[in-house]
Amino acid sequence: DVKVTQSSRYLVKRTGEKVFLECVQDMDHENMFWYRQDPGLGLRLIYFSYDVKMKEKGDIPEGYSVSREKKERFSLILESASTNQTSMYLCASGGKSNQPQHFGDGTRLSIL
Amino acid sequence: GDSVTQMEGPVTLSEEAFLTINCTYTATGYPSLFWYVQYPGEGLQLLLKATKADDKGSNKGFEATYRKETTSFHLEKGSVQVSDSAVYFCALRNTGFQKLVFGTGTRLLVSP
Repeated sequence: DVKVTQSSRYLVKRTGEKVFLECVQDMDHENMFWYRQDPGLGLRLIYFSYDVKMKEKGDIPEGYSVSREKKERFSLILESASTNQTSMYLCASGGKSNQPQHFGDGTRLSIL
Repeated sequence: GDSVTQMEGPVTLSEEAFLTINCTYTATGYPSLFWYVQYPGEGLQLLLKATKADDKGSNKGFEATYRKETTSFHLEKGSVQVSDSAVYFCALRNTGFQKLVFGTGTRLLVSP
């Protein structure tokens, strides 16, 4: 089974802090994704990566950056956390073509 | 751009009732279609998928048929159980693209 592991289930940070969310997958997938999930809005794509050191902006990249130094690891960075970034963050990985994406359990991030 | 529209919830049913959750989509090209399920406190799990018109995806008693003429992918189950209580997301992935486009999710509540 594919395993996508997010480093924290719950995280509380303060406004202005730099926040790192880590994600690791064990299936050698080329593609990795970061989404945020908010009530009534579903899942929205923040960034994705289709190869090491490659990244593409998703639908809501403002206030975020990403890093992919190794194939199995994809990090989401909140450069200066703000209260409107309080949300559930979901990482996913996937292969090519019509293969589905596999999700981690999510990180519920609260910015105070 | 591509989009997915799901019926708003919550959908409240008694155990053993018939379930339908409507999903329609707008997309250029020939997308693959997916249903994901999110149980409380967890990430998303792939429930079923269909990659071309008239394909039927099925899993755990759930079914959905890819209807190109009506641009729909409705989720059905003949007899729901309390353990099916979750949030269900319809999603599409267009040909040549890696990103998924999600609907806003439909919460299902099944009572004994």
